[in-house]
Amino acid sequence: DTAVSQTPKYLVTQMGNDKSIKCEQNLGHDTMYWYKQDSKKFLKIMFSYNNKELIINETVPNRFSPKSPDKAHLNLHINSLELGDSAVYFCASSQYGEGEQYFGPGTRLTVT
Amino acid sequence: AQSVSQHNHHVILSEAASLELGCNYSYGGTVNLFWYVQYPGQHLQLLLKYFSGDPLVKGIKGFEAEFIKSKFSFNLRKPSVQWSDTAEYFCAVLNNAGNMLTFGGGTRLMVKP
Repeated sequence: DTAVSQTPKYLVTQMGNDKSIKCEQNLGHDTMYWYKQDSKKFLKIMFSYNNKELIINETVPNRFSPKSPDKAHLNLHINSLELGDSAVYFCASSQYGEGEQYFGPGTRLTVT
Repeated sequence: AQSVSQHNHHVILSEAASLELGCNYSYGGTVNLFWYVQYPGQHLQLLLKYFSGDPLVKGIKGFEAEFIKSKFSFNLRKPSVQWSDTAEYFCAVLNNAGNMLTFGGGTRLMVKP
């Protein structure tokens, strides 16, 4: 019954590693998003996909590569992890143009 | 470019006190505004939204917000807070294309029992 789900919930890894976070929504929405929430709770959009096509890329380092295999999934792959990547990453979805976004539970990434 | 300011970073209230959290936005297009709440350790949930019509919007859990166009504000209010309202509150504005939310920096509310 979970509307927007993410895995894993927690991710602890070392600098230089590559990791992926997965997101799935069962709301039938056509648009999905990745947000980064830093330690001060500041929330900033990273990417947005509409019908599997990238529509927003907010000056995110190219170590971050989103992939949308279909409308219900948006995964985030991060190469060469850095300490500054430590944050909570939220996935969200919406119907394009309707505004209201539904958020997943978040993935807390800790880079040591 | 759109932006959202929340001037109260931390608010501490006792139960039954009234709440007002400030939100000011800067955006030149049609304004669609939201308040989200994030309870400790949880994801963001929608409290209320304003798209058009009555500028006084009522949301869940007794919250309301008033859109004042002349002041570029969308302040969140609740007449009597409860301990369970302890959370982080985020104001957000939607762009014209309807595909990007810009969030304010958040306000951490702590309600003392």
